[in-house]
Amino acid sequence: AQSVTQPDIHITVSEGASLELRCNYSYGATPYLFWYVQSPGQGLQLLLKYFSGDTLVQGIKGFEAEFKRSQSSFNLRKPSVHWSDAAEYFCAVGNYNQGGKLIFGQGTELSVKP
Amino acid sequence: NAGVTQTPKFRVLKTGQSMTLLCAQDMNHEYMYWYRQDPGMGLRLIHYSVGEGTTAKGEVPDGYNVSRLKKQNFLLGLESAAPSQTSVYFCASSYSSGRATGELFFGEGSRLTVL
Repeated sequence: AQSVTQPDIHITVSEGASLELRCNYSYGATPYLFWYVQSPGQGLQLLLKYFSGDTLVQGIKGFEAEFKRSQSSFNLRKPSVHWSDAAEYFCAVGNYNQGGKLIFGQGTELSVKP
Repeated sequence: NAGVTQTPKFRVLKTGQSMTLLCAQDMNHEYMYWYRQDPGMGLRLIHYSVGEGTTAKGEVPDGYNVSRLKKQNFLLGLESAAPSQTSVYFCASSYSSGRATGELFFGEGSRLTVL
């Protein structure tokens, strides 16, 4: 079955500390992978995406993610977290043939301590 | 630049009532989607459309109907609302193919409560 798992429901980090949010997927076809961010009361915004090629992808707001096929993972990282990064983060998987029919993970809520 | 606009943003219904959520996009996107978001479950696809006049079922279509009479609009209907349909509903749109595939543009959501 196709699925996305984000093992951490809630993470708290101190401002300025590094961040890694985990994402594991199960997908039969060649996956397209995405990270979206949702600020409170808002819709989701695309942070970054992986289609093919370089397995380390850069996104907006200083985020990056690394695709590891052998581990079926696509973890999101940021070297130094800012208070404005507090939000909910969603990993998603899709496929070229599926258009925007993405499968989303459960989400990880990020809190940032001053 | 409005992007994706959803109306209404909030609605309270009684069990058995009907309602329609409207989604409008001004980006000339071919594809449009309705997702629901529930705590601990991420987003789940209800219905989607790959073009004007076409609709298809997603992961959780039961109890919902949709229509795409105009390219820019995608309507989600609840004919007989149930408490299990209490949720936040998100409309999204995207280009149809290529490297833009999967890059969804979301509305701000519509919070529906069914009593």
